[in-house]
Amino acid sequence: GQNIDQPTEMTATEGAIVQINCTYQTSGFNGLFWYQQHAGEAPTFLSYNVLDGLEEKGRFSSFLSRSKGYSYLLLKELQMKDSASYLCAVRGFSGGYNKLIFGAGTRLAVHP
Amino acid sequence: GAVVSQHPSWVICKSGTSVKIECRSLDFQATTMFWYRQFPKQSLMLMATSNEGSKATYEQGVEKDKFLINHASLTLSTLTVTSAHPEDSSFYICSATKDRGQETQYFGPGTRLLVL
Repeated sequence: GQNIDQPTEMTATEGAIVQINCTYQTSGFNGLFWYQQHAGEAPTFLSYNVLDGLEEKGRFSSFLSRSKGYSYLLLKELQMKDSASYLCAVRGFSGGYNKLIFGAGTRLAVHP
Repeated sequence: GAVVSQHPSWVICKSGTSVKIECRSLDFQATTMFWYRQFPKQSLMLMATSNEGSKATYEQGVEKDKFLINHASLTLSTLTVTSAHPEDSSFYICSATKDRGQETQYFGPGTRLLVL
């Protein structure tokens, strides 16, 4: 089966650091994505991990451990505009093509 | 770049009518396009995958006769919700990849459908 777990909600303070965890159990694995989604808008790509380790991109970093089925998204120097849902998605190969399985998303609220 | 557009951005229709949603890749050729549905405060659920020139592959539980998908060219896929009912009201989002095996899906801005 396919299962992706992430916390439902998190709150953090402007300027702080927050880590959003994601654990997954999928029938295939071909990479893990993090997307940001503001209310009423489509997701925007943040990061992609296919090998173990940390990928850093500005204020955002993403970590992957394939053996543990675990990833996290790290947001530094939080800004009010970072208030959004963060979606963890695993790409698997099924039926002849790649497809993304999304977690339910973590709603992050950044307050002053 | 990799820009995906959708049209319309929102639509209100009467129960029983059909609604067509277009998804276009503006600056690249999309070998594969995906259609998702998202209910309020829930995550994206994949409905179907379409490859240019072939029949769409539907996910389990998605009625192919109700949600008609056509991927006639490398830049255009359409989703038609036939005989729409209030329970079909949702946020429909398409995405596209540049090549088979390409890692990143680029999402359109979404279409909000309200069926009265």
